[in-house]
Amino acid sequence: GAVVSQHPSRVICKSGTSVKIECRSLDFQATTMFWYRQFPKQSLMLMATSNEGSKATYEQGVEKDKFLINHASLTLSTLTVTSAHPEDSSFYICSARDSRLSTDTQYFGPGTRLTVL
Amino acid sequence: GEDVEQSLFLSVREGDSSVINCTYTDSSSTYLYWYKQEPGAGLQLLTYIFSNMDMKQDQRLTVLLNKKDKHLSLRIADTQTGDSAIYFCAENSGDYKLSFGAGTTVTVRA
Repeated sequence: GAVVSQHPSRVICKSGTSVKIECRSLDFQATTMFWYRQFPKQSLMLMATSNEGSKATYEQGVEKDKFLINHASLTLSTLTVTSAHPEDSSFYICSARDSRLSTDTQYFGPGTRLTVL
Repeated sequence: GEDVEQSLFLSVREGDSSVINCTYTDSSSTYLYWYKQEPGAGLQLLTYIFSNMDMKQDQRLTVLLNKKDKHLSLRIADTQTGDSAIYFCAENSGDYKLSFGAGTTVTVRA
């Protein structure tokens, strides 16, 4: 089956530092990956679409300079939260679209819990 | 997501059937999905249905689609304690993006 991993699963950092989160598709190639943010007891909010070999597409209201996305290979996308602040604390989830399928199915990683002190 | 609506909570007795309902707005959606999220975890794809289908069954899961009313439901037969989770319905909304509902928290009681 399609497996997506995220690393780290949990990170605590000081305010003002940067944090990088990795998203990997383990057994398929993903030309498109997505980054979501989820607040407690809420749905997923799409932050950006990560396209292999090109710039990410950000949703309205998401600061591209604060949330840097790099999709350098067909199996890896990274999200870097720059100059993190306590309000950036959240659960970040990535997904990868399996382009082999015609169903546009997205497979999700296990999520990364970010806490900014 | 504002285009996909779900009831927020469902409580069901172990062994009974659970029915989770969802309405969506984008009539051009090709596929509709059901995902399950357990506490502190990512989303697990449960099933999906193609928009030209009315029903899809996969073991204990049955998906019904009423395209005219833009209504989607997920029935879980013989609900178990391990089925306690948040269930999200989603529609594809163009550019491979998914629009999610707010999620239905299913609590299974003994």
